[in-house]
Amino acid sequence: DVKVTQSSRYLVKRTGEKVFLECVQDMDHENMFWYRQDPGLGLRLIYFSYDVKMKEKGDIPEGYSVSREKKERFSLILESASTNQTSMYLCASSFPSSAAYEQYFGPGTRLTVT
Amino acid sequence: RKEVEQDPGPFNVPEGATVAFNCTYSNSASQSFFWYRQDCRKEPKLLMSVYSSGNEDGRFTAQLNRASQYISLLIRDSKLSDSATYLCVVKTGNQFYFGTGTSLTVIP
Repeated sequence: DVKVTQSSRYLVKRTGEKVFLECVQDMDHENMFWYRQDPGLGLRLIYFSYDVKMKEKGDIPEGYSVSREKKERFSLILESASTNQTSMYLCASSFPSSAAYEQYFGPGTRLTVT
Repeated sequence: RKEVEQDPGPFNVPEGATVAFNCTYSNSASQSFFWYRQDCRKEPKLLMSVYSSGNEDGRFTAQLNRASQYISLLIRDSKLSDSATYLCVVKTGNQFYFGTGTSLTVIP
């Protein structure tokens, strides 16, 4: 059974803090993704990675960076948290595009920036 | 133009009703299609993949029309437990594109 875990379910941070969100998957998936989900806007892709040390910007990368030093782990970093980054953050993983495999999601981290 | 568009609803239907959700996508090169279900404050989970020939899983039927770039989900004999948000998802290359979701509430 595929498992994607995220380091925190709920997180409260202050404006200007550096925030680390960690994601780990146990299925040896090549591809990993970070999304944020906001009411009325759906899931929006922040960054994705198709291999260790590889990353691609998604639709809304501003204010975020990522790190993938190991295949199973993909970290999202908010360099200087702002209130407009209050959101639900979802990590996902999948096999590469050659196959019609779906994405598996972690439980999400609800981040509040005050 | 959005990659994936779906009617947000909400759909409020009585138990036992049949309900259909529709979704359109903009990129003709998209190669894989899915319906996900998301319960309140939970992560999305795969409901079913969508194949060109159409496919059925119990009370759920998914259809794909590549010519019209259109995907549908039909739920028959709705149960209270079907209440959730249904997300249409399209895969193009390495990326997944999500509709904003259609909210379904099944009423006793």
